[in-house]
Amino acid sequence: AQSVTQLGSHVSVSEGALVLLRCNYSSSVPPYLFWYVQYPNQGLQLLLKYTTGATLVKGINGFEAEFKKSETSFHLTKPSAHMSDAAEYFCAVSYGGANNLFFGTGTRLTVIP
Amino acid sequence: SQTIHQWPATLVQPVGSPLSLECTVEGTSNPNLYWYRQAAGRGLQLLFYSVGIGQISSEVPQNLSASRPQDRQFILSSKKLLLSDSGFYLCAAHGLWLPYPQYGYTFGSGTRLTVV
Repeated sequence: AQSVTQLGSHVSVSEGALVLLRCNYSSSVPPYLFWYVQYPNQGLQLLLKYTTGATLVKGINGFEAEFKKSETSFHLTKPSAHMSDAAEYFCAVSYGGANNLFFGTGTRLTVIP
Repeated sequence: SQTIHQWPATLVQPVGSPLSLECTVEGTSNPNLYWYRQAAGRGLQLLFYSVGIGQISSEVPQNLSASRPQDRQFILSSKKLLLSDSGFYLCAAHGLWLPYPQYGYTFGSGTRLTVV
């Protein structure tokens, strides 16, 4: 069965520090991979996605993620955290088809001034 | 542009009352449509998806139902709400979005439902 695991339901970083949010998937076939951000009481906004090609993907707001097939990982990083990055982040995988965008349980990022 | 309209934004309903949440989509045709629920402190749970008008698939057995009366309209309903129905409901669409043709998912801004 396909699943997505996000390690750490809460992550706190200081402003200006590196942000690292972890995501691992379990699959026997290469997936499409996504990171979404959710601000309080809002919908999900796509940060970045990997489908094919270059494994290092750059997204909005300075975020990037690297698809590592050998590690079945798609960790999200940002070199320097900003206060506006405080939000909940969701990793998701898709294998095509109509009903299979699977989400992790989310990681709430807190940025400490 | 790709837009999902979802309303209402917030809703407080008593136990046993009916529910109707509506979602409409702009910027694509014949999208796959989804209803997700996000309970407090939990991830996103897929409730229903639809690949076309009148075609609904349920992922989780519950007292909710969904309908798709038009290509870009998706409705979530209940005849009698339970306390456990409280949560944040998100509508999503997957399709070929214009004006720059690309496939992807787009989410609505959500409805915060509190059942009291």
